Amino acid sequence: DAKTTQPPSMDCAEGRAANLPCNHSTISGNEYVYWYRQIHSQGPQYIIHGLKNNETNEMASLIITEDRKSSTLILPHATLRDTAVYYCIVRGNTGNQFYFGTGTSLTVIP
Amino acid sequence: GAVVSQHPSWVICKSGTSVKIECRSLDFQATTMFWYRQFPKQSLMLMATSNEGSKATYEQGVEKDKFLINHASLTLSTLTVTSAHPEDSSFYICSAGQGAHTEAFFGQGTRLTVV
Repeated sequence: DAKTTQPPSMDCAEGRAANLPCNHSTISGNEYVYWYRQIHSQGPQYIIHGLKNNETNEMASLIITEDRKSSTLILPHATLRDTAVYYCIVRGNTGNQFYFGTGTSLTVIP
Repeated sequence: GAVVSQHPSWVICKSGTSVKIECRSLDFQATTMFWYRQFPKQSLMLMATSNEGSKATYEQGVEKDKFLINHASLTLSTLTVTSAHPEDSSFYICSAGQGAHTEAFFGQGTRLTVV
């Protein structure tokens, strides 16, 4: 599975959009991009995933560049409860396991 | 979404004893489940893949005789930490999915403290 690179930390003002970048320049054609988040001392929570088209659900939007080498997770109106570590993971179809990188620690500021 | 439940949420045990952690998929069947370990301020590290009806597959560096995994049914996998020592104190998390290109669901984690 391709590796990902994320900034270690970010701040966002409450009510504003949080844009979390992820670089996955070695992604291959059959690999999907997944986003999870982990609030302190809890298991990871699924947010969204996509292959090449932009995706949106009730939690977030996922924007994948045309060359698929990077993506951005957008939380449209961040709340204090969105403070968490966000993990961007690239996974192929050879198995169901996820390999976690170091993630981005997002702090939403009042 | 689907639910994966772990039990117990936390456990304290004495050094040298064994501890069993259960992972259940509550509303779907999972032929494969996964066990992770997370130390403070670190990311999740995949320990092993639990396969229903067959042996688990361990990641490099994980001792299979110390971390016993049993996946006896399509909804239950167990992780037993044998002869636990203080350095085994960690946050253990399981996950299960419903197939390739679908999301995996994670349990709430088990905090193990070995004293």
